Amino acid sequence: AQSVTQPDIHITVSEGASLELRCNYSYGATPYLFWYVQSPGQGLQLLLKYFSGDTLVQGIKGFEAEFKRSQSSFNLRKPSVHWSDAAEYFCAVGGFSGNTPLVFGKGTRLSVIA
Amino acid sequence: NAGVMQNPRHLVRRRGQEARLRCSPMKGHSHVYWYRQLPEEGLKFMVYLQKENIIDESGMPKERFSAEFPKEGPSILRIQQVVRGDSAAYFCASSPGRADKGTNEQFFGPGTRLTVL
Repeated sequence: AQSVTQPDIHITVSEGASLELRCNYSYGATPYLFWYVQSPGQGLQLLLKYFSGDTLVQGIKGFEAEFKRSQSSFNLRKPSVHWSDAAEYFCAVGGFSGNTPLVFGKGTRLSVIA
Repeated sequence: NAGVMQNPRHLVRRRGQEARLRCSPMKGHSHVYWYRQLPEEGLKFMVYLQKENIIDESGMPKERFSAEFPKEGPSILRIQQVVRGDSAAYFCASSPGRADKGTNEQFFGPGTRLTVL
C-alpha cells in the first residue's frame, strides 16, 4: 500500500538556523514526490517536486530536497530559516504514469523562534 | 491565469442539511481531485474526476457523498444530511491531464472549511 511517513509532528528552530524535515514513502512503482506548504487557514502551495533525473531538487523560497531511493526518503532542507517559514509542511507521493491521486503524510508543523 | 477557485471559503451547516462545495479548475485543466483534511491530519484523497466522468472514487464515503464534474461549469462535491464528523477542510486540485511526464502535478485551491453545528 502507498504511504508517506513524516516522523516529526512538530519542529521548532531558531531563525537563521538550518532545517531538515523528514519524509519516507512506500510506493510500488517509480514515484513522483512533492513537498507542499500550508499556512494557517490557507491552501497548499507547491514548494518543489521530483520526477526523475538529478536527485537534488531546488524549489521556491530557498528550499531543496534530496531523493534517496535506497532509503525511500525525500527530505526537505533549508540552510537558513526565516520567521515567515513557520507553517505546516506536507510530503506527498503520486504515481509516475498518468494522473493519480496524491498520498499525503500527516504533516510537520514548523515553528520559528527569534 | 487564475488559479483553482473554490467557493464558498467557509460554510456552516446544521446537522441534517446539505452542503455543496464548488471547484473551478485552472484554465486548460480537465482533471479535478477532491481531498479532505481533518483537524491535525494530512489530506486524504476522496475522488478524481474528468469532465462528465468519475475516474476514481475509492476515497469517497459510501453514503451521503457524491461528486460531479459536468461538461460546463464547476465540479461539485455534495454532502447530504451532514453530521458533525463531516466538519473539515475540503480541498480541490486540478491538473492538465496530458499523457506525458509531469502530468501529475496538482494545483490546489484555497479550500472550503465546512463546519457542522
